[in-house]
Amino acid sequence: QQQVKQSPQSLIVQKGGISIINCAYENTAFDYFPWYQQFPGKGPALLIAIRPDVSEKKEGRFTISFNKSAKQFSLHIMDSQPGDSATYFCAASNGNTGKLIFGQGTTLQVKP
Amino acid sequence: DAGITQSPRHKVTETGTPVTLRCHQTENHRYMYWYRQDPGHGLRLIHYSYGVKDTDKGEVSDGYSVSRSKTEDFLLTLESATSSQTSVYFCAAGGQNTEAFFGQGTRLTVV
Repeated sequence: QQQVKQSPQSLIVQKGGISIINCAYENTAFDYFPWYQQFPGKGPALLIAIRPDVSEKKEGRFTISFNKSAKQFSLHIMDSQPGDSATYFCAASNGNTGKLIFGQGTTLQVKP
Repeated sequence: DAGITQSPRHKVTETGTPVTLRCHQTENHRYMYWYRQDPGHGLRLIHYSYGVKDTDKGEVSDGYSVSRSKTEDFLLTLESATSSQTSVYFCAAGGQNTEAFFGQGTRLTVV
């Protein structure tokens, strides 16, 4: 019963292109939606996060778009660089319980 | 690592033996989590804690137990390890709807 569904599983993008990763959730009690980045052999690290009272958040080349009615959110990486090659996880948290659930992950490869 | 330390980092154990993984944090975070990471499944929540002696089940809790007797320590126990529990285990700690900080992971192999 995957509560957060992420797609695609893998993504190949040319340098300078736009990478887009999508996530959907079911539980309307979720009220915090972070994205994490993980490099091989390392633990995940927070990249950017959004709360459901806004529809978009941008930090540098990274943007989260959030659609509360559709229960979907996405990560856009503009001007993708080879250094962005990593695994990306979306997640959702219930502030009342503290429960933090992750999606299945997307392996991004940016070709030079 | 933001003050999250996992031990051991690597372990090989035999089927049927008990195994305990330790997570230690230095930042007084309220919430602590144990996840397992497997190819194609992402990070799956095993158990989490919302305070000392307060824990709850995650998505894949069968075969695992946890304990948190102090704010800084969160233990994950496999009572009788099985080959299906071969995985990379991550501990994380954080506040309410704020950044969760992850440890470096423990690679567990059950033979």
